[in-house]
Amino acid sequence: SQTIHQWPATLVQPVGSPLSLECTVEGTSNPNLYWYRQAAGRGLQLLFYSVGIGQISSEVPQNLSASRPQDRQFILSSKKLLLSDSGFYLCAGAPDTHTEAFFGQGTRLTVV
Amino acid sequence: QKEVEQNSGPLSVPEGAIASLNCTYSDRGSQSFFWYRQYSGKSPELIMFIYSNGDKEDGRFTAQLNKASQYVSLLIRDSQPSDSATYLCAVRGSYIPTFGRGTSLIVHP
Repeated sequence: SQTIHQWPATLVQPVGSPLSLECTVEGTSNPNLYWYRQAAGRGLQLLFYSVGIGQISSEVPQNLSASRPQDRQFILSSKKLLLSDSGFYLCAGAPDTHTEAFFGQGTRLTVV
Repeated sequence: QKEVEQNSGPLSVPEGAIASLNCTYSDRGSQSFFWYRQYSGKSPELIMFIYSNGDKEDGRFTAQLNKASQYVSLLIRDSQPSDSATYLCAVRGSYIPTFGRGTSLIVHP
């Protein structure tokens, strides 16, 4: 079965500090990978997606960046966090373009 | 821009009743349709998928798809308090799954 490991579960960071969130995938190779952000009571906002190593597409211009250094590793980063970066960050993967996306446990980020 | 629309709710139903959740989508090229359940503070989990027009049943859940009307629905029979959650509709036709904002369901005893 396919599994996404995402960590940490919760994170409190001061404004202006850097960020690195990592997720790894098990059970499938060459997956499509996604980073979503969910504000409280809101829907899923797609931030980045990747169809292969080193291939990153950005959906929303902002303070964040993503990288995919290995087939099953997807990293979300920021050099300087803003208060507006607070939210619930979800890494997701899908084996192809038609099957379901499966999610990691999510990271609750609070920027203070 | 591809859109998936859901009524945000909350939809409140008594225990044992049928809950009906609806979703419309804008991209006629969408080929796969999914329903996720998300409990507060947790990540979404897949509960149903449907690819063809018609109904698909799995236990207490039935997904219904009408591609001509661009409409997907989820029926939950014999609703339980543990079904109280936000239900997300998602569609795929390309690399990117597009999600609705979700419908909050409350099942009261």
